[in-house]
Amino acid sequence: GAGVSQSPRYKVAKRGQDVALRCDPISGHVSLFWYQQALGQGPEFLTYFQNEAQLDKSGLPSDRFFAERPEGSVSTLKIQRTQQEDSAVYLCASSGPGSSYEQYFGPGTRLTVT
Amino acid sequence: QKEVEQNSGPLSVPEGAIASLNCTYSDRGSQSFFWYRQYSGKSPELIMSIYSNGDKEDGRFTAQLNKASQYVSLLIRDSQPSDSATYLCAVSSAGNMLTFGGGTRLMVKP
Repeated sequence: GAGVSQSPRYKVAKRGQDVALRCDPISGHVSLFWYQQALGQGPEFLTYFQNEAQLDKSGLPSDRFFAERPEGSVSTLKIQRTQQEDSAVYLCASSGPGSSYEQYFGPGTRLTVT
Repeated sequence: QKEVEQNSGPLSVPEGAIASLNCTYSDRGSQSFFWYRQYSGKSPELIMSIYSNGDKEDGRFTAQLNKASQYVSLLIRDSQPSDSATYLCAVSSAGNMLTFGGGTRLMVKP
């Protein structure tokens, strides 16, 4: 079946621009996670949704980062007034009932802030 | 702060050998343990999950968990050049966020 999809795959933004990154989870998966991965490092947790409820946003690095999942399916991660340190790969993962908490990742969005 | 530690490598093994990858974690409340494989420029791919002490085998892969020692390992038997990748150890509590180690780069030489 279809896996997690993310768009765009690549995004170049000028410093100060706003960006929106989209994640479409595996059908039926109630849990959705966003991670940020810097080059040469492991992914780091940003935020977590169960259906439409954002249960944990402790990993969001600043108030410029905002995530939503209004209908409990597709999620959008928005970054306002992008800075160079926001350059990273943004990964979305989903997990569903019966999967024993296994998270499956999408291809990621590589964000470059110039 | 919850930590997951891995040797960054690279770990170099000849084709056909056993590759042994290790991971330690600090949070004794961790309940779920995962190994992901990540090829350069790609996203993490789940290869093994383990939840109880002992060994779990899946094909050429064996995951080992020792909660008392807070230690997880991954063995890859009959290593192939296509196994060359970065292997990420991840732990979680109660189905929540994953905490990742920095990854171990594995190189399998023909």
